[in-house]
Amino acid sequence: DGGITQSPKYLFRKEGQNVTLSCEQNLNHDAMYWYRQDPGQGLRLIYYSQIVNDFQKGDIAEGYSVSREKKESFPLTVTSAQKNPTAFYLCASSTWDYVIDADTQYFGPGTRLTVL
Amino acid sequence: SQQGEEDPQALSIQEGENATMNCSYKTSINNLQWYRQNSGRGLVHLILIRSNEREKHSGRLRVTLDTSKKSSSLLITASRAADTASYFCATGGSNYKLTFGKGTLLTVNP
Repeated sequence: DGGITQSPKYLFRKEGQNVTLSCEQNLNHDAMYWYRQDPGQGLRLIYYSQIVNDFQKGDIAEGYSVSREKKESFPLTVTSAQKNPTAFYLCASSTWDYVIDADTQYFGPGTRLTVL
Repeated sequence: SQQGEEDPQALSIQEGENATMNCSYKTSINNLQWYRQNSGRGLVHLILIRSNEREKHSGRLRVTLDTSKKSSSLLITASRAADTASYFCATGGSNYKLTFGKGTLLTVNP
């Protein structure tokens, strides 16, 4: 988990409320990502950002929003429009390695969101 | 959409045995990576194999890639109880985006 922090570790939200999950990295990585993981499932990409002030939708962006105002920060807001937000949320970062022509992702410890 | 599909979904072995997990994918790739996730934690990168490579080793890990069959395997030799985790394959293209499979849950019994 080194270099990427997510807070809080556990988060409880009432239905109809927006909530923001924090993700910070000190690895000087260009790209950052948000994934959602449901029990027994793989990771599904919500949003990703390759540079500051730019981001792209992933496979399941509906009901979520992000911002990338600083290189080291990529907060995710889960809005009330997300119908089933209870899940484990993972943030990751990466930078392109031109030697191997690929990148590997470094993950934070995750935030478990529960909607009450 | 998830491109990688791991097989089996769950695997239970005894300490000291070898564990083999497979991953199949559908479209052409630049590289294939394997990650490990301990319960309730973030993922940790294990190994990357490029599309022009057929086999790669790292410690007790051995990864193979067959691009003609669009498949990869991860072998963990002499498994330990501490290897108990979920293992995910992820396919990468020519950009930053990775596509993850659903994972194999490996249980190593002491």
